[in-house]
Amino acid sequence: NAGVTQTPKFQVLKTGQSMTLQCAQDMNHNSMYWYRQDPGMGLRLIYYSASEGTTDKGEVPNGYNVSRLNKREFSLRLESAAPSQTSVYFCASSGGTGFTDTQYFGPGTRLTVL
Amino acid sequence: GQQLNQSPQSMFIQEGEDVSMNCTSSSIFNTWLWYKQDPGEGPVLLIALYKAGELTSNGRLTAQFGITRKDSFLNISASIPSDVGIYFCAGRKGNTPLVFGKGTRLSVIA
Repeated sequence: NAGVTQTPKFQVLKTGQSMTLQCAQDMNHNSMYWYRQDPGMGLRLIYYSASEGTTDKGEVPNGYNVSRLNKREFSLRLESAAPSQTSVYFCASSGGTGFTDTQYFGPGTRLTVL
Repeated sequence: GQQLNQSPQSMFIQEGEDVSMNCTSSSIFNTWLWYKQDPGEGPVLLIALYKAGELTSNGRLTAQFGITRKDSFLNISASIPSDVGIYFCAGRKGNTPLVFGKGTRLSVIA
């Protein structure tokens, strides 16, 4: 069991470029999440998917889009990257329906936008 | 959005000392969780609490779900160098996503 995997681990973009962050879990979890972590700000929820086929906005969704490709995979897309999106991005998953279970996190993607 | 106030923001302690940190909210939560993040890694769950007043231990770690359901506490006894990291509290209200505190950064001086 790899748990939650994320690619890439590091990425540098220029302002205006686009990219997709990939996340996959092999725990057969229903719910998946994308967070960003900034110094002194803790973890802030960008988007989540409570089950395959559904996605919802979190606390800071502006500038991002997501796709729940199947039960295993949940991708995060930046259409036109901005320096304010420089951050560490974490994907997480949880097993139950809804939000009754604890979350397991991936190792993170460190993104720098110049 | 909902806010969790986590304190202290950072701590410098001597190896062997006990550590206490807490998390408070203006809202009632029905789940409290404590995570630890090592440098360069994702957060890892330490303790989960589901009932007001619940006291749960995991080795040298003990966490409590406050009776008012608006707070939670984490204690680490006899700290060691590998306790270094950022500790996050997280709470859930009903069938909603977790809300995270801003973290307590712990440094242990050998």
